[in-house]
Amino acid sequence: DTEVTQTPKHLVMGMTNKKSLKCEQHMGHRAMYWYKQKAKKPPELMFVYSYEKLSINESVPSRFSPECPNSSLLNLHLHALQPEDSALYLCASSQTGTSGTRADTQYFGPGTRLTVL
Amino acid sequence: GIQVEQSPPDLILQEGANSTLRCNFSDSVNNLQWFHQNPWGQLINLFYIPSGTKQNGRLSATTVATERYSLLYISSSQTTDSGVYFCAVATGNQFYFGTGTSLTVIP
Repeated sequence: DTEVTQTPKHLVMGMTNKKSLKCEQHMGHRAMYWYKQKAKKPPELMFVYSYEKLSINESVPSRFSPECPNSSLLNLHLHALQPEDSALYLCASSQTGTSGTRADTQYFGPGTRLTVL
Repeated sequence: GIQVEQSPPDLILQEGANSTLRCNFSDSVNNLQWFHQNPWGQLINLFYIPSGTKQNGRLSATTVATERYSLLYISSSQTTDSGVYFCAVATGNQFYFGTGTSLTVIP
């Protein structure tokens, strides 16, 4: 089973709202990732959690707040977003974050399409 | 950061044709993956291929790490092959996606 699930599939929110995106995997993976993808662009890495600790934050604005409650779950809390934050948000996981080995092969969820009004 | 360029940016094929997609990267990498992003946005793993050659059905991939490029071959293309193909590389703890090739296969 190489499934990563994400909820919700679609989200529309106002600039004053607070919402959360959820990601779950049951493959025993210990590294999880958030990416942001704008239309017709490649995904851009936002955050990496390795063994439930934040290991990479790619200078993401503080209106995006990640959380890893346990090794299977990854949340992205959203607050005071801007219309330019509208995008597809992708979650991924890998067995470990050990670069250079097959264990860091990434598996992606289907994404959450976020629209900020 | 590392630069990852893919070519061609767009490709239109007749069903049954073959194609080669290229991924060039600007520095040594520890990991390279090929993905297919379908029209609904799902990224599907095709290959984990930091070096060497692999085949899976109508698809095959070759990475020449010393020359910093990877190739994805699609043979006997089908309409379901349409979508965007990305290579992604990792160096240290950093992950970078290439610019993508948008493939349209017409019946």
